[in-house]
Amino acid sequence: SQKIEQNSEALNIQEGKTATLTCNYTNYSPAYLQWYRQDPGRGPVFLLLIRENEKEKRKERLKVTFDTTLKQSLFHITASQPADSATYLCALDPSYNTDKLIFGTGTRLQVFP
Amino acid sequence: NAGVTQTPKFQVLKTGQSMTLQCAQDMNHEYMSWYRQDPGMGLRLIHYSVGAGITDQGEVPNGYNVSRSTTEDFPLRLLSAAPSQTSVYFCASSYGDRVATGELFFGEGSRLTVL
Repeated sequence: SQKIEQNSEALNIQEGKTATLTCNYTNYSPAYLQWYRQDPGRGPVFLLLIRENEKEKRKERLKVTFDTTLKQSLFHITASQPADSATYLCALDPSYNTDKLIFGTGTRLQVFP
Repeated sequence: NAGVTQTPKFQVLKTGQSMTLQCAQDMNHEYMSWYRQDPGMGLRLIHYSVGAGITDQGEVPNGYNVSRSTTEDFPLRLLSAAPSQTSVYFCASSYGDRVATGELFFGEGSRLTVL
């Protein structure tokens, strides 16, 4: 079956450390993968997009990798801050360049001082 | 700019009632979509549109209708509400007519309870 898996358990880390979140997918061949942040009671907010021919993408303290062989994307937040506490969602196009965007269930990140 | 505006923010319906969730965007985006979000299920795509007059089904279209008569508006209709449709609904839009061109802009959500 097709699925996108993100750790359902919350990730708790100390301020200043690097947070690493995982997104694994099965039986999809996406052309790209996106990451979003969602705060409680709010809509998701776009963070980064990485295409299949890109190994790594950076934006300020954020870094995303995309390994189409492992069918996995890693999302890193360096020098994490309590303000980074939120749920992070990965999303992909379920078949090459379709107009649909399918989301994982998200991982809740808690950064404590 | 207002971005993506959803109304109402909260709604309680009785089983069998009908209603329309409104979604409007002022960014001249061609692509618009509706998702529902349930605990443990993540965001699931209901319907989407790549431009005025064009709509297509997502993962969970049953029980929902959409239309796209203008670029700005993409209403979601529940013809006969069921308790299984209790959820938080998000409308989203994107540049161009292909979601692969970039990010989705989401509204703040509409929380629907069906009794």
